[in-house]
Amino acid sequence: KAGVTQTPRYLIKTRGQQVTLSCSPISGHRSVSWYQQTPGQGLQFLFEYFSETQRNKGNFPGRFSGRQFSNSRSEMNVSTLELGDSALYLCASSFSGTGGAETQYFGPGTRLLVL
Amino acid sequence: GQQLNQSPQSMFIQEGEDVSMNCTSSSIFNTWLWYKQDPGEGPVLLIALYKAGELTSNGRLTAQFGITRKDSFLNISASIPSDVGIYFCAGRKSYDKVIFGPGTSLSVIP
Repeated sequence: KAGVTQTPRYLIKTRGQQVTLSCSPISGHRSVSWYQQTPGQGLQFLFEYFSETQRNKGNFPGRFSGRQFSNSRSEMNVSTLELGDSALYLCASSFSGTGGAETQYFGPGTRLLVL
Repeated sequence: GQQLNQSPQSMFIQEGEDVSMNCTSSSIFNTWLWYKQDPGEGPVLLIALYKAGELTSNGRLTAQFGITRKDSFLNISASIPSDVGIYFCAGRKSYDKVIFGPGTSLSVIP
């Protein structure tokens, strides 16, 4: 079974630009979560999507948004990029069955550098 | 907000030694997860725990879900150089977001 895939793996943008990152979950998984990882802040939860609906949201500004498609693939968008947005953006998928005790599997991440 | 504490923050050990690290929280979780992350890669799931008191092994790794549901520990036996990396614990309540600890950095000296 293929794992979680993220594209692109690396990205360089300049301040003020916007960026869209893509995540394809493991086949059959319906939940996709996004995280921002920086050396100083660790893994910070951005949002979670399940069946095309945002189910949970972290404490990030409105410049960070996401969506999920009917095939469970997800995108996240960051508008008006700031230098502090430079980070590793990780996507994780889970089956999200009825018990709630699901396990998340991570993709390799997209390394974003904002200049 | 909910926070997880991991200890130790970092550790340097000799190859062949056993390793213990733990994770504590002020909140109760239904699921505890342990991940390992190599530089530039996403975290890889090592062990998942779903019941209080549960003890689960994965090769040389053993993890336990604390009986109070507020803590978990991970042991690595007979460490090898490829065990080097950052180990994260994570807790989750049903249908809630996953909360990650700050990580324990492990270095293995050959």
